[in-house]
Amino acid sequence: QKEVEQDPGPLSVPEGAIVSLNCTYSNSAFQYFMWYRQYSRKGPELLMYTYSSGNKEDGRFTAQVDKSSKYISLFIRDSQPSDSATYLCATRLLNRDDKIIFGKGTRLHILP
Amino acid sequence: DARVTQTPRHKVTEMGQEVTMRCQPILGHNTVFWYRQTMMQGLELLAYFRNRAPLDDSGMPKDRFSAEMPDATLATLKIQPSEPRDSAVYFCASGPTAGVRSSTDTQYFGPGTRLTVL
Repeated sequence: QKEVEQDPGPLSVPEGAIVSLNCTYSNSAFQYFMWYRQYSRKGPELLMYTYSSGNKEDGRFTAQVDKSSKYISLFIRDSQPSDSATYLCATRLLNRDDKIIFGKGTRLHILP
Repeated sequence: DARVTQTPRHKVTEMGQEVTMRCQPILGHNTVFWYRQTMMQGLELLAYFRNRAPLDDSGMPKDRFSAEMPDATLATLKIQPSEPRDSAVYFCASGPTAGVRSSTDTQYFGPGTRLTVL
């Protein structure tokens, strides 16, 4: 079992819809959770960063962590064509652990 | 606007040839990571350095891959000899040592080197 599992998609939704992207992880010791966005032919860039369980909101984006079920979610409200990208969930074990463990990414297409 | 730079952006080579990829981390970052990305495997960590010292290269095929940091402004990843299965996008990322400045310290990626081995 990989440490972070993510459905690769692709996921196609109409513009304006709410998008839900999800990951599961296996190690209950993971404490820091991230979402990276990767546009075609670009490097991943950090989108959101959360610690432990709970929600974090940033504009149209909400990251949610449920440690009891080892589930990570990213919600995108009022989705735009410019949100079309691959979204990678990621996690880190400890505050001082440099290594980040990535999911394989979900390809998202927002249809105009 | 500080960013990680990588050269070359694209490389096409023939099987058996040596390939060298270069990365300039963001000034002040003391951790450097090399990743390989493919559709099948996603992002795989190949090697990572802290303060120029290699800390983990367990993800790297040792017989043909080597990673070095000759100085703080340059990281290299070398494949010799290259094989078709090495075709992938290779990313370099840099960051501060986790948690030293902030609990949200993370990695910043370069644009990648797209390698095709024929």
